[in-house]
Amino acid sequence: AQSVTQLGSHVSVSEGALVLLRCNYSSSVPPYLFWYVQYPNQGLQLLLKYTTGATLVKGINGFEAEFKKSETSFHLTKPSAHMSDAAEYFCAVDSGSRLTFGEGTQLTVNP
Amino acid sequence: GVTQSPTHLIKTRGQQVTLRCSSQSGHNTVSWYQQALGQGPQFIFQYYREEENGRGNFPPRFSGLQFPNDSSELNVNALELDDSALYLCASSLAGGPYYEQYFGPGTRLTVT
Repeated sequence: AQSVTQLGSHVSVSEGALVLLRCNYSSSVPPYLFWYVQYPNQGLQLLLKYTTGATLVKGINGFEAEFKKSETSFHLTKPSAHMSDAAEYFCAVDSGSRLTFGEGTQLTVNP
Repeated sequence: GVTQSPTHLIKTRGQQVTLRCSSQSGHNTVSWYQQALGQGPQFIFQYYREEENGRGNFPPRFSGLQFPNDSSELNVNALELDDSALYLCASSLAGGPYYEQYFGPGTRLTVT
């Protein structure tokens, strides 16, 4: 069965600093991987996805993630944090038409 | 987009509840997820062309319906306190190697 593990339930960065949110996956087949963002009292918004092809994936709001098969990782990065990036972020793997989510990482951006 | 109703509701333990979802136009698959406070969403079940097409680790008192008009329902009987959560509906178009799911804003259910 596919699963994902998000390292760090809370990450705090200063505005303008690098954002790095970690996700490791476990999958017996080539995975389809996703990052979602959830703002308070809202649903999930897709940031980016990896399906096949290029391992560096660019998403919305300046985020990107790199699929590293050798490390079974799919970490999310953004070069410069903005106050509006404060939210909860979920890594997910497609488990045969359903998504299996990690526990989430709460990102705080300090002025 | 995907819409859900109601936004919030409060129920008493033992009662029954129906949550509603309107899928994105043209999508033929709807999935429901339960998100407890401080956790990631957990897959409840999925409906494809009005038939259940997979279920997560949830008891039979969680049931659903999908209608031809892009709407669907999640029903929960005999509510328990642990059913308090955000319930998310996601619609997608089956047919490709993966399902890109579009989520609604959720319904916050509180069971007292």
